[in-house]
Amino acid sequence: GAGVSQTPSNKVTEKGKYVELRCDPISGHTALYWYRQSLGQGPEFLIYFQGTGAADDSGLPNDRFFAVRPEGSVSTLKIQRTERGDSAVYLCASSLTEGRLDTQYFGPGTRLTVL
Amino acid sequence: AQTVTQSQPEMSVQEAETVTLSCTYDTSESDYYLFWYKQPPSRQMILVIRQEAYKQQNATENRFSVNFQKAAKSFSLKISDSQLGDAAMYFCAYRLYNQGGKLIFGQGTELSVKP
Repeated sequence: GAGVSQTPSNKVTEKGKYVELRCDPISGHTALYWYRQSLGQGPEFLIYFQGTGAADDSGLPNDRFFAVRPEGSVSTLKIQRTERGDSAVYLCASSLTEGRLDTQYFGPGTRLTVL
Repeated sequence: AQTVTQSQPEMSVQEAETVTLSCTYDTSESDYYLFWYKQPPSRQMILVIRQEAYKQQNATENRFSVNFQKAAKSFSLKISDSQLGDAAMYFCAYRLYNQGGKLIFGQGTELSVKP
């Protein structure tokens, strides 16, 4: 079956602009996660959803970042007033549930470049 | 702070040989899971192996095995009979029992395999 997909694969924007990054999880997966991976670093947790609700948003760096998952499937990560420091690869993952043994399957990421 | 440290930014191994990647972590919790993920140039993270902290027996998946030393908070990955396709970034990560699916990653080790 299809894996986790993310669109766009690359996004170039100018400082101050608004961007939306989309994640399509594996069908039937109730848990969805967003991570940010800066150059040369490991992924950093941003937020995760169980169903439609954000179960843990402790990793969002500030109020310019927001994520939604209105129907419990597709999720959108929204970044307002982008800054050069937001440049990174944004990874999405999904798992069947948030259960301890459920494997997180990752998408290929969206590379965001803020000029 | 909960951290994961991978002290080897780069490692190299000859094809068919064995290589060990190091990982240490710091948490005051006693219940958690440990993971090794592989990230090829395609950026898609792939789960290699996982270990439950309460299990003393080291996990093994085909050519991949771990050496889990809970008291030392050490979790190294051994790759036997290395293949060209093993070349990638490898990330160590852990997940606490009581924090849903949130993964904490290390900085990664870039593994190259020489033919």
